[in-house]
Amino acid sequence: DAKTTQPNSMESNEEEPVHLPCNHSTISGTDYIHWYRQLPSQGPEYVIHGLTSNVNNRMASLAIAEDRKSSTLILHRATLRDAAVYYCILRGGSGGYGQNFVFGPGTRLSVLP
Amino acid sequence: ETGVTQTPRHLVMGMTNKKSLKCEQHLGHNAMYWYKQSAKKPLELMFVYNFKEQTENNSVPSRFSPECPNSSHLFLHLHTLQPEDSALYLCASSSRRPNRPYGYTFGSGTRLTVV
Repeated sequence: DAKTTQPNSMESNEEEPVHLPCNHSTISGTDYIHWYRQLPSQGPEYVIHGLTSNVNNRMASLAIAEDRKSSTLILHRATLRDAAVYYCILRGGSGGYGQNFVFGPGTRLSVLP
Repeated sequence: ETGVTQTPRHLVMGMTNKKSLKCEQHLGHNAMYWYKQSAKKPLELMFVYNFKEQTENNSVPSRFSPECPNSSHLFLHLHTLQPEDSALYLCASSSRRPNRPYGYTFGSGTRLTVV
């Protein structure tokens, strides 16, 4: 499985933007970049995913580097409810049924009031 | 409510007990998964079922026994567990089609404590 690297923890102030980086230098051409987050005492929840182009949805934006070796999850205005562990995961899109999701330690985001 | 329901939410069991965890989804997904999350550790994939058939068992001890009677239900039968098996057990489901990297929907988990 292609590996991702994320900072262990980050801090943000409430109502400020947050940029969560992810490095995936061994990404293959068919790997999609998925972001999930896990709130305390909950299962992970889907945030966003993309392949090559930047993506926006109501939760966040995903900026993907041109060489696809890194990506950044952007929360435009952090709230206290955004405090969670954020996971960046690669998943293959070709050749059979794709890979299972393999979770790393993620980035623990703290939001300060 | 995520669309994947796990029961019970909390479970305390002795090492000689037998219990079962239940997972249910009505999202029309055809794949279901069990993950284990121990304190301070990443999620570990335990079992994968595609179209009710087990396709992956990641060296899980036999005291954990999965069952998938249909595409909507998944069970994890537990017997003679050890205290180190205490963890959050998460169920997930997804659509699994060739060449389509669909995401997962997770349940809220069962917090298991073995005493």
